[in-house]
Amino acid sequence: GAVVSQHPSWVICKSGTSVKIECRSLDFQATTMFWYRQFPKQSLMLMATSNEGSKATYEQGVEKDKFLINHASLTLSTLTVTSAHPEDSSFYICSASWGIAGNTEAFFGQGTRLTVV
Amino acid sequence: GQNIDQPTEMTATEGAIVQINCTYQTSGFNGLFWYQQHAGEAPTFLSYNVLDGLEEKGRFSSFLSRSKGYSYLLLKELQMKDSASYLCAVRDSNYQLIWGAGTKLIIKP
Repeated sequence: GAVVSQHPSWVICKSGTSVKIECRSLDFQATTMFWYRQFPKQSLMLMATSNEGSKATYEQGVEKDKFLINHASLTLSTLTVTSAHPEDSSFYICSASWGIAGNTEAFFGQGTRLTVV
Repeated sequence: GQNIDQPTEMTATEGAIVQINCTYQTSGFNGLFWYQQHAGEAPTFLSYNVLDGLEEKGRFSSFLSRSKGYSYLLLKELQMKDSASYLCAVRDSNYQLIWGAGTKLIIKP
């Protein structure tokens, strides 16, 4: 299957600082990337959908000024958590797909565990 | 609204068979996916159904009935490593993935 690489796999940062998470599709062009957040023992919560070259579409309740998403190329999307606070501590996962039609499943990155202290 | 229901937790014995059900109510349907997620890891793809019927892939099979809004994941010859959460997801008419809360499967020796 297609490979999606997410970096870093874990990060600890101080409250008030910003953290950037990268999501790369290694062997295919990802026209669409999705960013999820997952709290312990809960399902994935979609934060935003990004299409290459255009602004991300954020889900209701997700602060776009706090969670900055950039999808500058067909192989790279970044999520920046600005002015992070302890309540932002969570497991962040990206997924990528090359199209919207057919049986193209979303391929997931390894996830990033963010701890804000 | 859109909704996907799965049992929260199931327990089964090593070597046995277990069926995890998923019912859905979504605006449109463009396929149903099953993912496996081990604790602390990202989900991994298991199966995809878009037409009614059974799709078999090794020890795992997935069934879909679109008229009933129902799917199940069947796991045979259970192994301890199958202990994980199993997520059902439906792609709606906007091609968005709608996720179930996941079923935690506990395998006992």
